[in-house]
Amino acid sequence: EIVMTQSPATLSVSPGERATLSCRASQSVSSNLAWYQQKPGQTPRLLIYGASTRATAIPARFSGSGSGTEFTLTISSLQSEDFAVYYCQQYHNWPWTFGQGTKVEIK
Amino acid sequence: QVQLQQSRPGLVKPSQTLSLTCAISGDSVSSDSAAWNWIRQSPSRGLEWLGRTYYRSKWYYDYAPSVKSRITLNPDTSKNQFSLQLTSVTPEDTAIYYCARDQYYYFDYWGQGTLVTVSS
Repeated sequence: EIVMTQSPATLSVSPGERATLSCRASQSVSSNLAWYQQKPGQTPRLLIYGASTRATAIPARFSGSGSGTEFTLTISSLQSEDFAVYYCQQYHNWPWTFGQGTKVEIK
Repeated sequence: QVQLQQSRPGLVKPSQTLSLTCAISGDSVSSDSAAWNWIRQSPSRGLEWLGRTYYRSKWYYDYAPSVKSRITLNPDTSKNQFSLQLTSVTPEDTAIYYCARDQYYYFDYWGQGTLVTVSS
């Protein structure tokens, strides 16, 4: 199975600053990658699919890039509601697998 | 708007069978463009996709190798829902279980989550 590795585990960022999260796949997943946001006590929310396409109603400050094995989620100017855990998921090969998450916390 | 409503949380004894249901509104379990998944989340295993079912002229089932020998998904068209059965559970199966929809292999709608604890 494809192993997804996210870094860093925790990212401390001040409101208004840019956050850059990384996701690496153990083998190529092409552009078959999604990003999710999960706040405490809530379900994951789809942010990005196809590595770079924002899901419905996702603000433009969220952007995704990359292909193959290296991917990035960028939040251009962090808002208070963006402090959460972010997960990547590959859907290139069975079984679908998730990264372990990056927690974005207030600096 | 698609909504997924999961059954209530529960306590399951080791070696017994875990059973959950997910009721669908705003879509159909027999949709020819959607698939219906179970995913779980625990501190030790993170997010783990377990399996999915979908209808394309007939029913199909895909299961994760980690649970393939123990898992069954059942669609119920009369109630527009689908269920998860996981047999021979151990404390390692303690997790929050989510149902979720996919149309293109990523998950756009999720249930509210159900905490299942495996303990004697």
